[in-house]
Amino acid sequence: AQSVTQLDSQVSVFEEAPVELRCNYSSSVSVYLFWYVQYPNQGLQLLLKYLSGSTLVESINGFEAEFNKSQTSFHLRKPSVHISDTAEYFCAVSGGTSYGKLTFGQGTILTVHP
Amino acid sequence: DAGVIQSPRHEVTEMGQEVTLRCKPISGHNSLFWYRQTMMRGLELLIYFNNNVPIDDSGMPEDRFSAKMPNASFSTLKIQPSEPRDSAVYFCASREENTEAFFGQGTRLTVV
Repeated sequence: AQSVTQLDSQVSVFEEAPVELRCNYSSSVSVYLFWYVQYPNQGLQLLLKYLSGSTLVESINGFEAEFNKSQTSFHLRKPSVHISDTAEYFCAVSGGTSYGKLTFGQGTILTVHP
Repeated sequence: DAGVIQSPRHEVTEMGQEVTLRCKPISGHNSLFWYRQTMMRGLELLIYFNNNVPIDDSGMPEDRFSAKMPNASFSTLKIQPSEPRDSAVYFCASREENTEAFFGQGTRLTVV
């Protein structure tokens, strides 16, 4: 069975500070990993994904995440956050099979203060 | 493509009534997921389909919940009878095999 643990339910930082949102997963097979962002009263939007290849993946708005197989982690980082990054962030895992169940963590609410 | 389309966006119903939520996935996607989101329980996977076949419904809370996917372009989630504790935002998502899922805007259900 696969599961995802997001280690922080809430993170607060000041604008232009760095941030790391932590995600650990467990799965018995090779995995695909995702980070999604949810703004208030909206659906979830893909932020970035790891399917294969380079273990460091980046988004267009400055976020990055690194797949670490030995530590079963996929932490999300941004070196300098903006007020507009305030949102809830979800880590998700899918097994590398044709019938991939997509499981989400409990989410981390990121609040960026001016 | 217009993305994943869910209807209605908002639903208010009385306890005991039947509620049907609808989802149109993105054309060409072969997997469809139904999730429920609440403050207390976060984002829960209720059921998912692959090629219109239900693969895992272990997240469906009780027999009052049922889901169907009669064809590749339509799915329903039905609650009968509804209860106040069913109040939540229900999301539908679809994807091609082993890629990212695309989410609809959700249906906010309130059972009074």
